[in-house]
Parts: sequence; structure tokens; C-alpha cells
Amino acid sequence: EVQLVESGGGLVQPGGSLRLSCAASGFTFSSYWTHWVRQAPGKGLVWVSGINSDGSSTTYADSVKGRFTISRDNAKSTVYLQMNSLRAEDTAVYYCARERWELLSFYGMDVWGQGTTVTVSS
Amino acid sequence: EIVLTQSPATLSLSPGERATLSCRASQSVSGSLAWYRQKPGQAPRLLMYDASNRATGVPARLSGSGSGTDFTLTISSLEPEDFAVYYCQHRSSWPPMYTFGQGTKLEIK
Repeated sequence: EVQLVESGGGLVQPGGSLRLSCAASGFTFSSYWTHWVRQAPGKGLVWVSGINSDGSSTTYADSVKGRFTISRDNAKSTVYLQMNSLRAEDTAVYYCARERWELLSFYGMDVWGQGTTVTVSS
Repeated sequence: EIVLTQSPATLSLSPGERATLSCRASQSVSGSLAWYRQKPGQAPRLLMYDASNRATGVPARLSGSGSGTDFTLTISSLEPEDFAVYYCQHRSSWPPMYTFGQGTKLEIK
């Protein structure tokens, strides 16, 4: 079964750090881009960060640039999101999702995890 | 930065009716657009990619169209599972950056 499973969410104080993990199974993980997308309570989807198939290229939303770092370990079929200097506005459900990436076609994010909840509060 | 504006914010229809959801981009995005459905408490599900291509398992009653700045997701005859929130998404070419619309809630009338 093709799946992504997130973990690592929890309650953290403002200014603190947290590392999320996204474990993949059932497909050739090293062939896909992987992204983190978040959703604040009652709000819409917001793309956070993405990493290419071999980890050599990363992209970030302006709101997290300089605070969050995405990485991957293809041997473990896992993507990570290191979140530092967390703020209340980072409170959200964080989803990971895969993308079959080609320059001239946008295939969308076709497999999503169930999400992990991050709460930033004192 | 490209902004995607979805309309209407809420659409109230009955099962069996036709639904038309709109996504407008602040500048041309060519055909680089995807559509998702999200039900409460669930992760989003990919419906359409490259504006008009159905993802695996998506029924034929759903169709996508448009290019440039104006895109439409049409559901020809609403089924109970279609009542959810729908998002459009764009990916810029390089470096790839991704933008979602604010969503359209399709509710039962």
C-alpha cells in the first residue's frame, strides 16, 4: 500500500523547536519530490516547503524561510522538517505529500499523509 | 507572487445538480493547475492535474477546464461524497513554489 505517515507533532512553546518526520512506503520514494503543507485550525491549505527526489534542491514559503529546514534520507524513505523559532501562527496540522515532478507538467500532489498536529503555545 | 482566487466561497446545491467552481489567477499560469477535495478531518485528495486531467480513480462526472488565468472545476451531477471543500493549486516553474486558493465549500442545500 502506498502511504505517507507523519510523526513528531506536539505542543511547543513560542521560540522552541520541533522536528517532523514523514515515512514513506509502498513506492519508490527516491523518485518523487516531497512537500510539507499545513492547515491552521479552520483555515485553508498552505504550502510550506518542498524537496526534490535526491535532496539537492529545496524550496520554502517566505513565511518559514530561515526558520524551517527540509531534508530527506532516501535510505530510510523519510523526509524531515526541522522547525525552529516557532511562533503561534505556525500552529497547524502538517501534512506531507508526494509529487511526481516534471518541468513541463504539474501532476499535483497525489499521495498525502494523515497529518500531524503542531501547537505553539505557552 | 501569484494569487489564486476561488469563487464562490460557498456553494449550496442539491444532489443531482451541476456544480461549477472557479479559480482565477492573478497572472497567467498556463495550464499548471491542480484541484483537490478535502472532507472534514481528512487529508486533501488530488482530483485534477494540469488543469484538465483526472487523477487516478476520479469519476468522469468531475471535469476540469481552463488555461491562462481562468479555470473551472465542474461536477455534472452531485453525489453525496462531493460535498466538501475544494482547493485549486498552482506550481511555478523554477524554483518551484506552490500556491493554494482559499477554497470553495460545496454544501448540501
